[in-house]
Amino acid sequence: DGGITQSPKYLFRKEGQNVTLSCEQNLNHDAMYWYRQDPGQGLRLIYYSQIVNDFQKGDIAEGYSVSREKKESFPLTVTSAQKNPTAFYLCASREQTGVSSYNEQFFGPGTRLTVL
Amino acid sequence: AQKVTQAQTEISVVEKEDVTLDCVYETRDTTYYLFWYKQPPSGELVFLIRRNSFDEQNEISGRYSWNFQKSTSSFNFTITASQVVDSAVYFCALSMNRDDKIIFGKGTRLHILP
Repeated sequence: DGGITQSPKYLFRKEGQNVTLSCEQNLNHDAMYWYRQDPGQGLRLIYYSQIVNDFQKGDIAEGYSVSREKKESFPLTVTSAQKNPTAFYLCASREQTGVSSYNEQFFGPGTRLTVL
Repeated sequence: AQKVTQAQTEISVVEKEDVTLDCVYETRDTTYYLFWYKQPPSGELVFLIRRNSFDEQNEISGRYSWNFQKSTSSFNFTITASQVVDSAVYFCALSMNRDDKIIFGKGTRLHILP
């Protein structure tokens, strides 16, 4: 089955530790995205990547880093510089063929990160 | 600036009632795309519908219908004869031709009471 996997579903970390969230897709999509969701805030874009080895900052990139070494994978690192990292993190991908902005995003199940 | 506003933070209705979720968008682009997503308690967003700015036809899919009106910059979503399984957070979103980002509204949490 094609789709997006995120692991783990729940993640606990101590304050001051870096943590990496996994996102893998087998949809053969070029574009991948990371969003953060807080209660009442909707989805806010952290980083996105339209092609391997390239990525752009979204609206709230400070305190986060990403890499895109493979088409299938787009891991997100939450660094100790992120002031309030406790949130629900969603990964998404999107097909780039045709008019890419016409295409819907496919989402993973999310990772709920709690920093103690 | 581009923006999506979902003014209804939370709605509760009794099962079998009809309910409309409002979405108002802002963009100066002439070509854009509008989306609705559903987020059930499991957390994963599920795509419901897409509309492009040149197609103002309303759409019906089973109990779901969408009303797109460019004159009022609105893309409202109606659920007819609501069911408990419709309980979720619903997001309206906007995408422009010039970049790959999607702008989401803050969502409307819908409670369908048995």
